[in-house]
Amino acid sequence: AQTVTQSQPEMSVQEAETVTLSCTYDTSESDYYLFWYKQPPSRQMILVIRQEAYKQQNATENRFSVNFQKAAKSFSLKISDSQLGDAAMYFCAYSGRTSGTYKYIFGTGTRLKVLA
Amino acid sequence: EPEVTQTPSHQVTQMGQEVILRCVPISNHLYFYWYRQILGQKVEFLVSFYNNEISEKSEIFDDQFSVERPDGSNFTLKIRSTKLEDSAMYFCASLAGTPLIYNEQFFGPGTRLTVL
Repeated sequence: AQTVTQSQPEMSVQEAETVTLSCTYDTSESDYYLFWYKQPPSRQMILVIRQEAYKQQNATENRFSVNFQKAAKSFSLKISDSQLGDAAMYFCAYSGRTSGTYKYIFGTGTRLKVLA
Repeated sequence: EPEVTQTPSHQVTQMGQEVILRCVPISNHLYFYWYRQILGQKVEFLVSFYNNEISEKSEIFDDQFSVERPDGSNFTLKIRSTKLEDSAMYFCASLAGTPLIYNEQFFGPGTRLTVL
């Protein structure tokens, strides 16, 4: 079975600085997707960034980028120029294509605090 | 921009009562999901629904739970006899399904269920 591990329950970053959130996963599938979701206090799940496993190039969305290491099964999120609005819970998620249901498997989350 | 909607936003019920959580997925999406998040914990997959039937369910999704899509637009989750441990945030999500380029699920804002 696939698993997703986020080893950092909480991280802090100074405003305007850079922070990296870690995520590792375990799977025997070769075709899958990885996602980072942000969950602010409202608890709405907001997609931050996504990565297709077949793509070697790391995804980037403005201040957010990933470091995808397929062989190491690692998928970290880098937030540059951190802003107060980035403070939230961040979940890493895996979605495999083999089963045909495309369900998400989430990690336990990392709470990001942004210090002014 | 199309979005997934959920009603109610907050449901309070007595233990042993039946509750129905409602979701309106994005029109033309083909895959539908329910996830659960107990306060302070990770988001857990409950069930996936495709082609008018359950395609996968987790071990959490026991006989007390059921889903249906009665009219082609609404997607409901029913809990027949609620328990205290059913208190959680319940998220509905939908997936376009075709083309499966990004495999991105769109989440609703969630329904907070409180069982007393």
